[in-house]
Amino acid sequence: QVQLVQSGPEVPEPGASVKVSCQASGYTFTSYYIHWVRQAPGQGLEWMGLVNPGGTTNYAQKFRGRVTMTRDTATNMVYMDLRRLRSDDTAVYYCAREYHGGHFDYWGQGTQVTVSS
Amino acid sequence: QTVVTQEPSLTVSPGGTVTLTCASSTGAVTSDYYANWFQQKPGQPPRALIYTTDMKHSWTPARFSGSLLGGKAALTLSGVQPEDEAEYYCLLMSGNAWVFGGGTKLTVL
Repeated sequence: QVQLVQSGPEVPEPGASVKVSCQASGYTFTSYYIHWVRQAPGQGLEWMGLVNPGGTTNYAQKFRGRVTMTRDTATNMVYMDLRRLRSDDTAVYYCAREYHGGHFDYWGQGTQVTVSS
Repeated sequence: QTVVTQEPSLTVSPGGTVTLTCASSTGAVTSDYYANWFQQKPGQPPRALIYTTDMKHSWTPARFSGSLLGGKAALTLSGVQPEDEAEYYCLLMSGNAWVFGGGTKLTVL
């Protein structure tokens, strides 16, 4: 069965970086997009960017220069690296799968990132 | 920067019908926006309900349907159940980016 399993909670300091992983299983990894979405406490969902089946990335303008999304096809892992963290980056970060053409389906369980000194 | 707008909150009685809408600041929503709808309950990740405007997943209850209505994407719940109380988010493609609406809190009362 399809699963997206994310890494555990993180508590980085302001100004530091965080790297969240998303382990995919149960499907052909290189046939799907993986998106990253975050949700600040009590707020809505915010699209951050994607890695396409060819490994190319596309980031929301808000995060360009501060985020890097990568994938490892040998381990079916996708990573989201966010740098220069601020307190307003405190959120739950999700990975989600899309089949080309806007077919979103499975989501990871979420990773709590709390930026705190 | 595209802004996607949803009703902040709606209330419906059990067994009733309710329509949630999703508008784009760029103009009328068409099938080219590949509208998706998600349901989220407290403490849980979002659950996909509808993709590419009107397609249901295998797990989507039959009472949920997606459409285009008056230049907006729409999610209609017919025969609402108490367990449908949740936050609902739409997602639209805009250029080569995706944008979520602010969410609609649906209360079943």
